[in-house]
Amino acid sequence: DVKVTQSSRYLVKRTGEKVFLECVQDMDHENMFWYRQDPGLGLRLIYFSYDVKMKEKGDIPEGYSVSREKKERFSLILESASTNQTSMYLCASTYSDRTYEQYFGPGTRLTVT
Amino acid sequence: SQKIEQNSEALNIQEGKTATLTCNYTNYSPAYLQWYRQDPGRGPVFLLLIRENEKEKRKERLKVTFDTTLKQSLFHITASQPADSATYLCALPNTDKLIFGTGTRLQVFP
Repeated sequence: DVKVTQSSRYLVKRTGEKVFLECVQDMDHENMFWYRQDPGLGLRLIYFSYDVKMKEKGDIPEGYSVSREKKERFSLILESASTNQTSMYLCASTYSDRTYEQYFGPGTRLTVT
Repeated sequence: SQKIEQNSEALNIQEGKTATLTCNYTNYSPAYLQWYRQDPGRGPVFLLLIRENEKEKRKERLKVTFDTTLKQSLFHITASQPADSATYLCALPNTDKLIFGTGTRLQVFP
């Protein structure tokens, strides 16, 4: 059974902390994505990666960075967490043929206080 | 700019009826369209993909249509069940990415 896992389901951090969210997929997918989801705004793409050590900015990259050192792992980093980064964070992966469906992880609900 | 619209109001229907959800888009000419299901607190799950040259696609009780003239996709669930209650998202490709609609929440009552 294919699987995308995320390091935490729930996370509470303080303003100014550096936050790491990790995502691992076991499907040998080339492409990986980080989204955030907020009520009324839907899924918004933060960053994506087509290959190891490659990254591309999505629609809302400000305040975030990413790392992809291994094909199966894609990390999202909040350099200095702020309250407006409180959200549900979703990781997804897919094959390099981009018509393929995206497989999503269970999500991390991050609260920044 | 490119825009996807799904009805933000919840759709409430009785068990056994057909649910129809709408996805409209503007300033797009997508080669395909995808539909996902999302349960509360969980990630979306892929349901169906329909290509621009396909008018209709079916999978069990699901049917999707794609009208490139109207710039609209309809998502039907026939003989709906309470277990079908969820939020349904449409997604369209935009260069190298997928753009998701905000989703429509479906509630099926017994």
